[in-house]
Amino acid sequence: NAGVTQTPKFQVLKTGQSMTLQCAQDMNHEYMSWYRQDPGMGLRLIHYSVGAGITDQGEVPNGYNVSRSTTEDFPLRLLSAAPSQTSVYFCASQGDDEQFFGPGTRLTVL
Amino acid sequence: AQSVTQLDSQVPVFEEAPVELRCNYSSSVSVYLFWYVQYPNQGLQLLLKYLSGSTLVKGINGFEAEFNKSQTSFHLRKPSVHISDTAEYFCAVSDIWGSQGNLIFGKGTKLSVKP
Repeated sequence: NAGVTQTPKFQVLKTGQSMTLQCAQDMNHEYMSWYRQDPGMGLRLIHYSVGAGITDQGEVPNGYNVSRSTTEDFPLRLLSAAPSQTSVYFCASQGDDEQFFGPGTRLTVL
Repeated sequence: AQSVTQLDSQVPVFEEAPVELRCNYSSSVSVYLFWYVQYPNQGLQLLLKYLSGSTLVKGINGFEAEFNKSQTSFHLRKPSVHISDTAEYFCAVSDIWGSQGNLIFGKGTKLSVKP
């Protein structure tokens, strides 16, 4: 049982490049979400999913896309990276009464 | 709309002293409250949660929190801190739990324990 895994751990992009942050969980949870963490801002919800085929926007969705084709995977796509997307990204998977967080992806956009 | 305010961005304290990290929330409906801890360069780990029942909640690592509905607070306490408690602590609230709950986080409190 690996919990929530995220890849890559670190990534540097140039402005305008695209990339996908991967997230997977092996706990058969229906609910998954993506947060970004910026200094002094706490964590802010980007997108979430209540099950395969169902996604919705959170507080800060602009510039990001998600899809949920399987229960296990919930990738986050940056279509055209901007310096404002420099952040640490956390994926989370929710059980009965607890959210489990992945280790994070530290993204820098130059 | 829900919101969470962590009243202190940084709290310095000496080892073996007591500590209280303050959290106030606003919500128009039922609330579910959480405290998470983040050690440097790591993800978030759940310390404790209030879903229902007793207003005094005990968590891991000797931490506890008290839900006070009249004061809309959920302060985190520990009677004697250790150097290893140095970390950032986040209070979070949700008004729907189960499979569709979204967490709203506070901006965090950095606890620095000095020898």
